[in-house]
Amino acid sequence: EVQLVESGGGLVQPRGSLRLSCAASGFTFSDYRMTWVRQAPGKGLEWVAIISEDGSQKTYVDSVKGRFTISRDNAENSLFLQMNTLRVDDTAVYYCARGAAIADWGQGTLLTVSS
Amino acid sequence: DIQMTQSPSSLSASVGDRVTITCRASQGIRNDLGWYQQKPGTAPKRLIAAASSLQSGVPSRFSGSGSGTEFTLTISSLQPEDFATYYCLQHNNYPFTFGQGTRLEIK
Repeated sequence: EVQLVESGGGLVQPRGSLRLSCAASGFTFSDYRMTWVRQAPGKGLEWVAIISEDGSQKTYVDSVKGRFTISRDNAENSLFLQMNTLRVDDTAVYYCARGAAIADWGQGTLLTVSS
Repeated sequence: DIQMTQSPSSLSASVGDRVTITCRASQGIRNDLGWYQQKPGTAPKRLIAAASSLQSGVPSRFSGSGSGTEFTLTISSLQPEDFATYYCLQHNNYPFTFGQGTRLEIK
């Protein structure tokens, strides 16, 4: 059974930083691209970033380029999202997801950016 | 960026009704589209992959069709557990993009 478990969310002040993690199990992690998706309170889903199977290629939505960095550790079956220069409008539930076509999702972790 | 225009944004229907939700892409995306169901407080769940392939375990009352720029999700006979929000996702061209969602409510 595929399991994706996010952690690291919390309350951060504007212009602060935070690192989200996602622990993967139940599949061969290194065989899949991995994705981050977010959902602001009461809003729709927003695709954030994707990383290739070996971590060499990364793509981001424009609103996070230069501020967020996606990375992975295939030895530890883990996905990360380093978020810098956070803004109030980054407040959302952040989901880790398997694949480019997103077959499976984690339960999400809430980031709140507020002073 | 490819824009995914999803309609309607909300829909009221009754148990047993047939409903159709549409996603239109601003440019061709072949069949690189998935449909997701999300219930309040939970993660989305994929219903349909590759525009028309029913995910394992998903009831057969759900179906998807389309290719290129126009796609539909049809629920043939609504059940109480189907009242939720539905999203499409294009994964053809970066950045991937979701439709804005369709909230399906009980009439």
